[in-house]
Amino acid sequence: NAGVTQTPKFRILKIGQSMTLQCTQDMNHNYMYWYRQDPGMGLKLIYYSVGAGITDKGEVPNGYNVSRSTTEDFPLRLELAAPSQTSVYFCASSYSAGLTDTQYFGPGTRLTVL
Amino acid sequence: AQTVTQSQPEMSVQEAETVTLSCTYDTSESDYYLFWYKQPPSRQMILVIRQEAYKQQNATENRFSVNFQKAAKSFSLKISDSQLGDAAMYFCAYMYNNDMRFGAGTRLTVKP
Repeated sequence: NAGVTQTPKFRILKIGQSMTLQCTQDMNHNYMYWYRQDPGMGLKLIYYSVGAGITDKGEVPNGYNVSRSTTEDFPLRLELAAPSQTSVYFCASSYSAGLTDTQYFGPGTRLTVL
Repeated sequence: AQTVTQSQPEMSVQEAETVTLSCTYDTSESDYYLFWYKQPPSRQMILVIRQEAYKQQNATENRFSVNFQKAAKSFSLKISDSQLGDAAMYFCAYMYNNDMRFGAGTRLTVKP
């Protein structure tokens, strides 16, 4: 199993541009998550999904959108990039509800908005 | 809102010695999970250890153990026989339902 994969690894955007961060897991996990990590800080939850077709907001959802059409994929969309969205983005997945299962993290995407 | 506080931005330990990283959290819930994650320079988040709040026994994983004090809302990580490969950022995290909250992290340096 490849686990959780994220693309791209790095990206530079101009203010106002849009992009989609891809996340795929091959572990047949129901739960998937998107986090951002700002320099010198811990991770903050952006959005999560408990299954295909079901998503919900986390702690910092503004400026982002997600969709979950399949179990494997959970893309994160930035519509109008802003410098405040410069961060490292992590995708994670778990088999069942977070209370009982461990989250597995992808390697991260470093995004810079200039 | 739940918050997680790591009061030690940086810690240093001599190789083969023991070090303890502190973590406190704030919650009104009684059933939740706590985690310690390690983040090396590669940025990969690696689960070190986890604790279920309803279990009184402290979790252990080889050289890693926790001191979980539920009433005090404290969750410290002890690393025994420290190795050079233990050098990394360590994040304490709290989870209730699907909401995971992380502390700001502690940078651990291991001196040879």
